[in-house]
Amino acid sequence: EIVMTQSPATLSVSPGERATLFCRASQSVDSNLAWYQQKPGQAPRLLVYDASTRATGIPARFSGSGSGTEFTLTISSLQSEDFAVYYCQQYNKWPPWTFGQGTKVEIK
Amino acid sequence: EVQLVESGGGLVQPGGSLRLSCAASGFTFSTYNMNWVRQAPGKGLEWVSYISTSSNTIYYADSVKGRFTISRDNAKSSLSLQMNSLRAEDTAVYYCARDVLKFDCWGQGTLVTVSS
Repeated sequence: EIVMTQSPATLSVSPGERATLFCRASQSVDSNLAWYQQKPGQAPRLLVYDASTRATGIPARFSGSGSGTEFTLTISSLQSEDFAVYYCQQYNKWPPWTFGQGTKVEIK
Repeated sequence: EVQLVESGGGLVQPGGSLRLSCAASGFTFSTYNMNWVRQAPGKGLEWVSYISTSSNTIYYADSVKGRFTISRDNAKSSLSLQMNSLRAEDTAVYYCARDVLKFDCWGQGTLVTVSS
């Protein structure tokens, strides 16, 4: 099973600032990595797939990068609606599909 | 509009059973693989089960293998999860999710609480 590890667990950021989230895989997942956003009481929403492709309707301030075992999600200028929990997920080797434990982006 | 709507959650005693359903609309259900993913209160996401378009291929997480059964009815655009021998650690919100390798569409979830 591929273990996904996200850091930091919590990120405190002021609105308008840049946020950088990290995800590491225990073995290479090539570019088969997705990022999801989850707000309280809501289902996860796909943000980025194939490590760097934004999903339909996702604003350009969200960008993903990386390949192999190291990945980054960057939110260039945080808006109020971006404060949420973010999960990475690998789909290179399954089953199981595995998620990171999440990074909570909170208002500083 | 693509939509997934789960139902069937509730309170059940340890050792009991529950059947979850997921109604799909807005897309050709029969052409998509589907999954169940769960989230325990205050915790992260855990993949539970997968079913291919024609039900030929099915996978389960080790944590539910032998207790849960996934199925689908393409004629009714419906996905199900039969959960038996439920344990306290199965308490979670259960989501159905459409599979295009990544999970591009999720339902709103249904809460299952296992408690005496």
